[in-house]
Amino acid sequence: AQSVTQPDIHITVSEGASLELRCNYSYGATPYLFWYVQSPGQGLQLLLKYFSGDTLVQGIKGFEAEFKRSQSSFNLRKPSVHWSDAAEYFCAVGAKNNNDMRFGAGTRLTVKP
Amino acid sequence: EPEVTQTPSHQVTQMGQEVILRCVPISNHLYFYWYRQILGQKVEFLVSFYNNEISEKSEIFDDQFSVERPDGSNFTLKIRSTKLEDSAMYFCASSGSRAQTQYFGPGTRLLVL
Repeated sequence: AQSVTQPDIHITVSEGASLELRCNYSYGATPYLFWYVQSPGQGLQLLLKYFSGDTLVQGIKGFEAEFKRSQSSFNLRKPSVHWSDAAEYFCAVGAKNNNDMRFGAGTRLTVKP
Repeated sequence: EPEVTQTPSHQVTQMGQEVILRCVPISNHLYFYWYRQILGQKVEFLVSFYNNEISEKSEIFDDQFSVERPDGSNFTLKIRSTKLEDSAMYFCASSGSRAQTQYFGPGTRLLVL
């Protein structure tokens, strides 16, 4: 079965600085990859997804992620972080042959003024 | 924009009691899911449902759990006899087809006393 690792539990960045959140996956075939964001007390909002094609995907709120098969990674990036980006970010991996989507443990983002 | 809704938003129950968590998936979606997130932990897959039957379930989804689509719009998760460790946020999700993007509801926070 597929699995996801998010190495960073907590990241703090200054407002306006760039951001990269790491995600590594394990799966034998081409994965379906997702980034979700969860604000405190809220549900999961889809930021972006990769199914196939262009390995650089654009999402909402100015986020992008790049699928690197050689590194089994799908890191999330944003060039300039806003205070409202403070939240928990979850990377998830799905597979073509099952509905069992596996989530990483999440990375909590704090934005300093 | 269509969205997944869940009721109630919060539920407090006594250990041993039965609870039913309700979800209204996006109307033209065919695949339905339940996930849970214990406080401070990762989101975990419980079960997927298609064509009025369970298509996949995790080891967490034991005999205490059941799912049902009682009518054309609702999708429910029943916990037959709640335990303290069932306290968690429960998320419903739906997708248009197998392995497509899953859209999540806002969650039901269950507290078992």
